[in-house]
Amino acid sequence: ETGVTQTPRHLVMGMTNKKSLKCEQHLGHNAMYWYKQSAKKPLELMFVYNFKEQTENNSVPSRFSPECPNSSHLFLHLHTLQPEDSALYLCASSQGNLDSGANVLTFGAGSRLTVL
Amino acid sequence: GQNIDQPTEMTATEGAIVQINCTYQTSGFNGLFWYQQHAGEAPTFLSYNVLDGLEEKGRFSSFLSRSKGYSYLLLKELQMKDSASYLCAVRDGDYKLSFGAGTTVTVRA
Repeated sequence: ETGVTQTPRHLVMGMTNKKSLKCEQHLGHNAMYWYKQSAKKPLELMFVYNFKEQTENNSVPSRFSPECPNSSHLFLHLHTLQPEDSALYLCASSQGNLDSGANVLTFGAGSRLTVL
Repeated sequence: GQNIDQPTEMTATEGAIVQINCTYQTSGFNGLFWYQQHAGEAPTFLSYNVLDGLEEKGRFSSFLSRSKGYSYLLLKELQMKDSASYLCAVRDGDYKLSFGAGTTVTVRA
């Protein structure tokens, strides 16, 4: 496996369910990110982890709970979501944090979430 | 928040040239990125501009004017595989990265 891998690719859940999204990067990067992508809207940054430490929480509701056990893995735990949370959730990684040089993000293909 | 504008959709013919404009209003500036995203796939990095001028990479070029808060991505000799969404992203003075909503380019035969 190379690059950034996200699982599952598609997820349908009810509002009372608990599920998790997983992201794994094989690039040796130190920073990992969760973004939300809704149709016709800009990518929204949700969380940033740098060397396993959370460095940014972009006012995300507590029904989204991130976890970063090591620099290669990132999870997004989901519980009691709302239908408006339906979107594509993209994971990304970068060599350093966003304030270092031409820091390029490498994205995964995303997890398409539908909340019924 | 930051304001990044780009057209929603553009259509062009195979072999032609298309220019995707991006205007931005941010608090400070620390670089502008272009990403390409095919439907159902990950966004992939295309170009990075931090100084004024044109950066050329094969069929793709990106231009930046910091004084005008303006960039464009130029796609030459369009191919069917260039049909995708193109995302403009700007890093502000606090190194926060903000994305535009993306421009969907459709290449017709």
